[in-house]
Amino acid sequence: EADIYQTPRYLVIGTGKKITLECSQTMGHDKMYWYQQDPGMELHLIHYSYGVNSTEKGDLSSESTVSRIRTEHFPLTLESARPSHTSQYLCASSDPRTGTGGEKLFFGSGTQLSVL
Amino acid sequence: AQSVTQPDIHITVSEGASLELRCNYSYGATPYLFWYVQSPGQGLQLLLKYFSGDTLVQGIKGFEAEFKRSQSSFNLRKPSVHWSDAAEYFCAVGRSGGYQKVTFGTGTKLQVIP
Repeated sequence: EADIYQTPRYLVIGTGKKITLECSQTMGHDKMYWYQQDPGMELHLIHYSYGVNSTEKGDLSSESTVSRIRTEHFPLTLESARPSHTSQYLCASSDPRTGTGGEKLFFGSGTQLSVL
Repeated sequence: AQSVTQPDIHITVSEGASLELRCNYSYGATPYLFWYVQSPGQGLQLLLKYFSGDTLVQGIKGFEAEFKRSQSSFNLRKPSVHWSDAAEYFCAVGRSGGYQKVTFGTGTKLQVIP
């Protein structure tokens, strides 16, 4: 159902490397989000965007950065990866047209990042 | 601050048995409440949501949830579980305004046995 795509699905890299996690959606949603998910833990919002040229930090401090140059694209970048960045990263977008009662979040399948 | 508690980390049920997953929330006003499901290797998918109106909410895949303000609970139920329901289930509470802050619980992993 979801038209939101994340690549790569899995990424194993060495410490100090620069990485970019890709996220694209074809639904025309203005709002997009990045969550970090670790086993047995709640999802933590690390970045969000209201639309093009809008980026904000989420609840959980993260050394990553994001950009939103196009509506459909919301990549996340780590300039210098460390083992502490090992986690699953989930991208999501929300549809303001889902009416009252909170916007439905559409999630990608995630990128599992392992930093050695 | 809003928060969500899912007291059961892992639940095992037999196929065909009924299911109830517990969720308790903390929020100052009337919250938006959600249940999401995450199958292995997949992102989260919305099962149902509640904001106002009928306190019994119907969702996809035969799931329902009941909002009980007095107990600050929003438990998820299904009368007869199928093997394909094995997944992790997340309760979430949200508020309107701004970027729509949504706080997720830690999840309950459901195992279904034959």
